[in-house]
Amino acid sequence: EAQVTQNPRYLITVTGKKLTVTCSQNMNHEYMSWYRQDPGLGLRQIYYSMNVEVTDKGDVPEGYKVSRKEKRNFPLILESPSPNQTSLYFCASSRTASSGNTIYFGEGSWLTVV
Amino acid sequence: TQLLEQSPQFLSIQEGENLTVYCNSSSVFSSLQWYRQEPGEGPVLLVTVVTGGEVKKLKRLTFQFGDARKDSSLHITAAQPGDTGLYLCAGPGGTSYGKLTFGQGTILTVHP
Repeated sequence: EAQVTQNPRYLITVTGKKLTVTCSQNMNHEYMSWYRQDPGLGLRQIYYSMNVEVTDKGDVPEGYKVSRKEKRNFPLILESPSPNQTSLYFCASSRTASSGNTIYFGEGSWLTVV
Repeated sequence: TQLLEQSPQFLSIQEGENLTVYCNSSSVFSSLQWYRQEPGEGPVLLVTVVTGGEVKKLKRLTFQFGDARKDSSLHITAAQPGDTGLYLCAGPGGTSYGKLTFGQGTILTVHP
């Protein structure tokens, strides 16, 4: 079954404590991306990756890091989380970045920073 | 960054009514996509429109891409409670290949 898997699904953490949200896809997709979803703002792109070792900033990259060492994995790293990073996070993948490709989303990770 | 404005932000209707959701921009998009998201889940792609003036139908849902490729609409005929959810439009986000921009979303509630 085609899947994008994120972990953890729910996390409460404290300000400044580094955390990683993992993302894995089993479809051999080249393109992967991270979004955050906040009320009234829709989804905003944090980082994206066109392929292994190729990453680039989206619209809201501040406070986040990513890496793409393997095709299937695209972890999102918060080196020093702050309360304004409390949000619902989605990882997504598609075959390529070409417009028109179906984008598959994970189920989301609820992150609360206190 | 190219912006997408969706309206209305909230829509609460009775079963059987028709509705239209709009997605507008001042920029030209090469394509636009519509997604539906249910609580606790990620967005799921409904349709992609790529040609100006294009109309696509998915059962009771009709999607239209404006002639100038700056806007799109989603029309639902005879809405049902199962249509309840968050509807999002999305398009390539500017000159950077790989960027994707989303509208703010429309929360639709269909009451039985």
